[in-house]
Amino acid sequence: DGGITQSPKYLFRKEGQNVTLSCEQNLNHDAMYWYRQDPGQGLRLIYYSQIVNDFQKGDIAEGYSVSREKKESFPLTVTSAQKNPTAFYLCASKTGTGVGEPQHFGDGTRLSIL
Amino acid sequence: RKEVEQDPGPFNVPEGATVAFNCTYSNSASQSFFWYRQDCRKEPKLLMSVYSSGNEDGRFTAQLNRASQYISLLIRDSKLSDSATYLCVVKIPGNTGKLIFGQGTTLQVKP
Repeated sequence: DGGITQSPKYLFRKEGQNVTLSCEQNLNHDAMYWYRQDPGQGLRLIYYSQIVNDFQKGDIAEGYSVSREKKESFPLTVTSAQKNPTAFYLCASKTGTGVGEPQHFGDGTRLSIL
Repeated sequence: RKEVEQDPGPFNVPEGATVAFNCTYSNSASQSFFWYRQDCRKEPKLLMSVYSSGNEDGRFTAQLNRASQYISLLIRDSKLSDSATYLCVVKIPGNTGKLIFGQGTTLQVKP
């Protein structure tokens, strides 16, 4: 089945530790996005990538890093510089063409601090 | 002013009721508009795109008013399964595909 797969579903981070969240899609979508959602708030954009080997910072990129070495994969690393990483992280993708194309989401990763 | 604003609710309505949500956006050059549904602790799922002429999908009707910069979602004959948070989403101008999400409006349909 085509879709977006995020793993793990739950992740716990120790102080000073970097952790990487996986996002894989088999929809042949060009663009991929990472969002963070805090309780009672809307989604905020962390990073996005429109093509392989290229990505841009979103609104809250500090303390995060990404790579886009393959079209299907867009992993997000939460570094120790991110002081408040506890949140629900959502990966999304869309086709590169068409201004009206919506984004489709994976089922998310919940990150907590130990 | 927030780029996309919604009344967070919660809206508590009985089954069978008609309920309407509004959303305002600040960038008059915004290009595309969507309503997403998000269940508790789940990912957002596309409910419907919003077209300039307005569009309907079963019990759901979406409308866009570009002059006043607001979007609405009308749900008729509410079902218990409609209970969720409804996210208003706006695509900003340009070709990045970047979306701005409202904080969501929570709907609770009671028996």
